[in-house]
Amino acid sequence: DTGVSQDPRHKITKRGQNVTFRCDPISEHNRLYWYRQTLGQGPEFLTYFQNEAQLEKSRLLSDRFSAERPKGSFSTLEIQRTEQGDSAMYLCASSLASPEAFFGQGTRLTVV
Amino acid sequence: SQQGEEDPQALSIQEGENATMNCSYKTSINNLQWYRQNSGRGLVHLILIRSNEREKHSGRLRVTLDTSKKSSSLLITASRAADTASYFCATDADPGGFKTIFGAGTRLFVKA
Repeated sequence: DTGVSQDPRHKITKRGQNVTFRCDPISEHNRLYWYRQTLGQGPEFLTYFQNEAQLEKSRLLSDRFSAERPKGSFSTLEIQRTEQGDSAMYLCASSLASPEAFFGQGTRLTVV
Repeated sequence: SQQGEEDPQALSIQEGENATMNCSYKTSINNLQWYRQNSGRGLVHLILIRSNEREKHSGRLRVTLDTSKKSSSLLITASRAADTASYFCATDADPGGFKTIFGAGTRLFVKA
């Protein structure tokens, strides 16, 4: 059983560098979500896709953040010119015909 | 922004006791979900209750929903040490019911 897979699991980067994360959803799932979670808080919605279409992007997401899902399968989340405030866990989730979402294990980003 | 607010923020109980967590939300919903997150890991879906339902059971879990009060509760009966985790309520934030917004969570600690 292949669940939602995220890569890498951990990323340490220097401030100002660009980083890219990958998410592979459950294969038949058409919806894919990105969330950001900081310590002690719940997941914060960033964006979501239905197939390859990006349906919504949070206003909290600055222009330094971009997400793609080019063929309606895997997705990438890129953060340009990282800042220390970007340090967080980035969670990906996917779903099919129900709001029930299946989450990956997350990518923990540390910006030093 | 986070739509749901869980109460209490933290809860510590003895194994075998029941644990009750509450969630309040602000706007009308199509459904409400509860998720569990073990430390440093992804979220796991527990249960979904639709706006026309008042109560739902799954194993040792019981969820209630009061749409007039915009609140929900999660009851875990006969708790076990393995139930130690953070619990989040999540509500839909769009007409399709697929964009999900999470609260800040309740941290449950079950002492053996």
